[in-house]
Amino acid sequence: DAGVIQSPRHEVTEMGQEVTLRCKPISGHNSLFWYRQTMMRGLELLIYFNNNVPIDDSGMPEDRFSAKMPNASFSTLKIQPSEPRDSAVYFCASSYSGDTQYFGPGTRLTVL
Amino acid sequence: AQSVTQLGSHVSVSEGALVLLRCNYSSSVPPYLFWYVQYPNQGLQLLLKYTSAATLVKGINDFEAEFKKSETSFHLTKPSAHMSDAAEYFCAVGGDDYKLSFGAGTTVTVRA
Repeated sequence: DAGVIQSPRHEVTEMGQEVTLRCKPISGHNSLFWYRQTMMRGLELLIYFNNNVPIDDSGMPEDRFSAKMPNASFSTLKIQPSEPRDSAVYFCASSYSGDTQYFGPGTRLTVL
Repeated sequence: AQSVTQLGSHVSVSEGALVLLRCNYSSSVPPYLFWYVQYPNQGLQLLLKYTSAATLVKGINDFEAEFKKSETSFHLTKPSAHMSDAAEYFCAVGGDDYKLSFGAGTTVTVRA
């Protein structure tokens, strides 16, 4: 079984550039979560979707961050413009109706 | 609102010794409780979860955790540490809204 797939695994970009992170959840899962992990703040929930609909985006840091889920098998997290303080590991996780969340391998983002 | 406190950001044990990682939670509803493990440069993997069935929960790799409502605790144990147990461990609490709140994590090192 394929787990949660994230791409790219590593992203290095310059301040001001647009960054798009991608996630493919586990087939059959209907909830999708985006997290950010940093040394200072630990694991933070940014946004989650249920049945492709954003349910809670209260963790999104600011308007530079946006997330979409156009269908059940794909989601994106976009940062525009990116800033050095956005450097972190971004995880996507999926679950079925609030059951156990399964995490992807993460995208390590470095903004110079 | 839900929250988790993990006592001790670092734990060092000898190979073959008991591993004990402490987690206390706060929840206004009957909680779902989880322990995840994160190996370097990887995503989080589920070790075990409590969902109001048995209070003693067995997980993978001989880990287990006991839910104690009176103490609002969900401590993780393993009778005999192995070198491969070196990782970061996260306790998480969830409720009916599908969201998880994670603790700050405990890094385990295993001495030969």
